[in-house]
Amino acid sequence: EDKVVQSPLSLVVHEGDTVTLNCSYEVTNFRSLLWYKQEKKAPTFLFMLTSSGIEKKSGRLSSILDKKELFSILNITATQTGDSAIYLCAVLSQGGSEKLVFGKGTKLTVNP
Amino acid sequence: NAGVTQTPKFRILKIGQSMTLQCTQDMNHNYMYWYRQDPGMGLKLIYYSVGAGITDKGEVPNGYNVSRSTTEDFPLRLELAAPSQTSVYFCASSNRAGGAGGTQYFGPGTRLTVL
Repeated sequence: EDKVVQSPLSLVVHEGDTVTLNCSYEVTNFRSLLWYKQEKKAPTFLFMLTSSGIEKKSGRLSSILDKKELFSILNITATQTGDSAIYLCAVLSQGGSEKLVFGKGTKLTVNP
Repeated sequence: NAGVTQTPKFRILKIGQSMTLQCTQDMNHNYMYWYRQDPGMGLKLIYYSVGAGITDKGEVPNGYNVSRSTTEDFPLRLELAAPSQTSVYFCASSNRAGGAGGTQYFGPGTRLTVL
């Protein structure tokens, strides 16, 4: 059974801190790994990673994938209160259905 | 640009009632999905569709049904509502993009409570 495990489940930091969120996976026929940010409503897309060792960046957020060790990290530098959200990791397996398997998410709280 | 829309936003049902959650996308995406998200949990796939007329079960299909008569619409039906179906329901769509898979775009969600 495909599995995605995120850690920590919850994290509280102060503004300006740097955080690292972890995502490990066990999936047959890996295709890509996606990170989403979920505030009060629907998840919004952050990154899609398909190749090992290539960092993707968007402002203060960056992510990297290690396909050998089967994990990914999401880094947020100089955190702001607006970064408070649940961060979801999901893995897409190969095949015709484009199904995503989600982890439980990491709830990040950034205090002023 | 509407993207993925869902109705209703909120609903309270009594045990045994039925209802349909509506989902429409205007991006001409082939793939559509229904997820449920329980408190403190990630999203779990209920049903998905790879195109009009084709549907398949996800991880937690029991108690639900779907249909896909058009590319745009993917309604989710609850026939006999149970308290265990209290959850937030998200619809999503994607289009296969190259070899790496397409990003899924999510609707705003429907919060369902079964009492």
